[in-house]
Amino acid sequence: NAGVTQTPKFQVLKTGQSMTLQCAQDMNHNSMYWYRQDPGMGLRLIYYSASEGTTDKGEVPNGYNVSRLNKREFSLRLESAAPSQTSVYFCASSSMSSTDTQYFGPGTRLTVL
Amino acid sequence: GENVEQHPSTLSVQEGDSAVIKCTYSDSASNYFPWYKQELGKGPQLIIDIRSNVGEKKDQRIAVTLNKTAKHFSLHITETQPEDSAVYFCAASMGTNAGKSTFGDGTTLTVKP
Repeated sequence: NAGVTQTPKFQVLKTGQSMTLQCAQDMNHNSMYWYRQDPGMGLRLIYYSASEGTTDKGEVPNGYNVSRLNKREFSLRLESAAPSQTSVYFCASSSMSSTDTQYFGPGTRLTVL
Repeated sequence: GENVEQHPSTLSVQEGDSAVIKCTYSDSASNYFPWYKQELGKGPQLIIDIRSNVGEKKDQRIAVTLNKTAKHFSLHITETQPEDSAVYFCAASMGTNAGKSTFGDGTTLTVKP
């Protein structure tokens, strides 16, 4: 039981490049989330998926797209990376809703030059 | 939307002392208040949570109190140990919407041996 896994752990991009961050959970959870964490600013929700086949915008969705590929996997795509997207990205999952315990992955540290 | 303020941003205590971190929230509809601990290079991990129908909850050296009238909740750590050193985040959620979790900006706790 690996919990929530994320790939890659580290990534460096040039401005304008695209990439996809991968996330998978093996806990049969319905809800999945993508957050970004910037120094001194806590965790901010980018997108979430309440169940397979649905996605919704969070607090800071601009510049990102997501795909809930199946119940296990939830990916985050940067179509044209910008330096402002330099951050640590965390994926999380919960059984049903945000009032259930959220389990976080180890994070992806992204630098955009 | 919900706004969560967390204080202090940094806290340094001597081993064996108590530590208290406070959060306030703005939306009276919030009904779930988790606390997460984040160690260096890792994702946040739930350490304790409280729901709006409860005023206090304890788990060994950790306790959380909730004052719904004043819209604030606090984390109390007694008999602190060096391994308690980490960043602690509070959050507020509403059960009616899976994505609506708002996090505080975090408190860096340092326990000096």
